[in-house]
Order: sequence, then C-alpha cells, then structure tokens
Amino acid sequence: DAKTTQPNSMESNEEEPVHLPCNHSTISGTDYIHWYRQLPSQGPEYVIHGLTSNVNNRMASLAIAEDRKSSTLILHRATLRDAAVYYCILRVTYSGAGSYQLTFGKGTKLSVIP
Amino acid sequence: DTEVTQTPKHLVMGMTNKKSLKCEQHMGHRAMYWYKQKAKKPPELMFVYSYEKLSINESVPSRFSPECPNSSLLNLHLHALQPEDSALYLCASSQDSFLAGELFFGEGSRLTVL
Repeated sequence: DAKTTQPNSMESNEEEPVHLPCNHSTISGTDYIHWYRQLPSQGPEYVIHGLTSNVNNRMASLAIAEDRKSSTLILHRATLRDAAVYYCILRVTYSGAGSYQLTFGKGTKLSVIP
Repeated sequence: DTEVTQTPKHLVMGMTNKKSLKCEQHMGHRAMYWYKQKAKKPPELMFVYSYEKLSINESVPSRFSPECPNSSLLNLHLHALQPEDSALYLCASSQDSFLAGELFFGEGSRLTVL
C-alpha cells in the first residue's frame, strides 16, 4: 500500500502562512494526492487534490515535488478556524478490483496561535 | 445540496440489540462509503458501494452489515456488537468510485456499545 508520512503536530501564528509537509515515497504514477482536514467533532472536509501539477483553490495551494515523492499543503493566511487535523492521503487502486480508496494516515494536528 | 446526512447523531445500544445507521445524499453520487473512527485515530475504511453494489469490504466482521437500497441511501445494520465497536461511524459519497474528485463526508453517528 502506498503510504504517507506527516509530522504529528505543527503550530502556526494567526494570519501567517502555513506549510504542511507530506512524504509519499512509494507513490505510483496513477495515485492522486488528496488533502482533507477534520475539525473537532466534525467529519473530514475536502481541502484539495492533485496528480502532478501544483493546484490552487479558494482554501489552499498544493505544491507537488517534481518526482512526486512529497507534497506540501499551503494555507496562505492561517485563521483560528484552520485549527484541525490535516490528512495527506493517496488515492490508490483497491487490489485490482477497479475501485479506488482513500486510506487515511495519522495526519498533522495544526494549532493556530492568536 | 452538497450534504451527506447521517442519522442518528448519537446511538447507545446493548450487545444484544439490533440497530441501524442511515446515510443519505442527494448529489447524484454513485459511490458511497462507510468509515469507522476511534477516538484520536484516523478514519478507517469499512465498505465501499459503487452503483449500489458492494465493491470493497475491508474484512469487516459480519456483525456489521451494509445495505445500499438505492443510489441515495446507505445503511449500516448493527447486531451483536462489542464494546470495542464504540466509535464514530462516518458516511461519505463521491461522484463515482474512481475518486478523481472530492469525497463528501457526513458529520458521523457516534455509537456507544454497553
């Protein structure tokens, strides 16, 4: 199984950019890189995803290394509402069954300091 | 409507009870998922339905029985559960099981088994 490695926790000051790293050295050519976050007492929430190129949306940016073995989620200005567990996940094929799955790793708990 | 609705939000049951968790989406999604999340752990995939057919069963014990009566509804039938089955059960949906896009999660059903 393709797996991801993230720091257990990170801190950021409010209104500063945050760079959340993720290593996925066993990624295969068809594995998408997904990021989700989970606020306390809520279900996970989609943040962004990409395959090879860097991606931007209203929530964040995703920077993917040229060899795709790592990626970085960038929150441009952290707010208190961004305090959550951020999961970097690979979309992988399920045992050749023609289905795909997202297998969550341990994630990074982001704390935002006012 | 971009919501996945789960009921009930909280459920307490004894080990001999039979109960069901329900999940509903009206986004026209053709893939639906059950995840289980223990406290302070990442979500773990249990089942995937694609076009109303079970496509992934992650070796889940038979005391958990999923059902997809139509493309909008997903049930999880619970019978003879153990206290260690107490967890947050998350339902999710996506446009299809290719998962090139976003996975939408509900807020979860918190189950306590006495």
